[in-house]
Amino acid sequence: NAGVTQTPKFQVLKTGQSMTLQCAQDMNHNSMYWYRQDPGMGLRLIYYSASEGTTDKGEVPNGYNVSRLNKREFSLRLESAAPSQTSVYFCASTGQGDGNQPQHFGDGTRLSIL
Amino acid sequence: QKEVEQNSGPLSVPEGAIASLNCTYSDRGSQSFFWYRQYSGKSPELIMFIYSNGDKEDGRFTAQLNKASQYVSLLIRDSQPSDSATYLCAVNMFKNTGGFKTIFGAGTRLFVKA
Repeated sequence: NAGVTQTPKFQVLKTGQSMTLQCAQDMNHNSMYWYRQDPGMGLRLIYYSASEGTTDKGEVPNGYNVSRLNKREFSLRLESAAPSQTSVYFCASTGQGDGNQPQHFGDGTRLSIL
Repeated sequence: QKEVEQNSGPLSVPEGAIASLNCTYSDRGSQSFFWYRQYSGKSPELIMFIYSNGDKEDGRFTAQLNKASQYVSLLIRDSQPSDSATYLCAVNMFKNTGGFKTIFGAGTRLFVKA
């Protein structure tokens, strides 16, 4: 029952460093998402992938890039980390449907940028 | 106006009482509505979903949807201290270009006092 797996769970970076957050799901879901969650802000969509080979910007894409490596994996990259990117990052996936499917979340990555 | 709005709370209710959580949304064409529960330091987990006007009950939880007024609510009967968490409202809004996007509210913090 792995569901959605995110790595790493915790990371501390220095300003300007780069890093890739990994996400994999084993539920054969088509759609995958990356969110960030800041205190009092709820979940904000960074990027999403409706299917293998496609990616689209969400609400707050600046400073991030994504790769949908295959149907299972969707990675998020910070090319030059900034303190404003300190947050909790959640990956999620959704099964194929007509928009009536809930999202399944990973355990999150807690990222601090010094 | 935010696309999905929730009262941030905190909402405090005594054990055994009914907790009422509310959410409003801006897109009249929205079709799917979800309530997630998120414990501190954990990822969101699905509590209920509702697609049609009216009430939907699942155990101690009842979701209510009123599309004409563009609000969705969650009632928790016989509230328990273990219900203390942040409750996130999520709405699937369909896009003119096809597909849909999921927008989350900022969440309402609920405290159930023993």
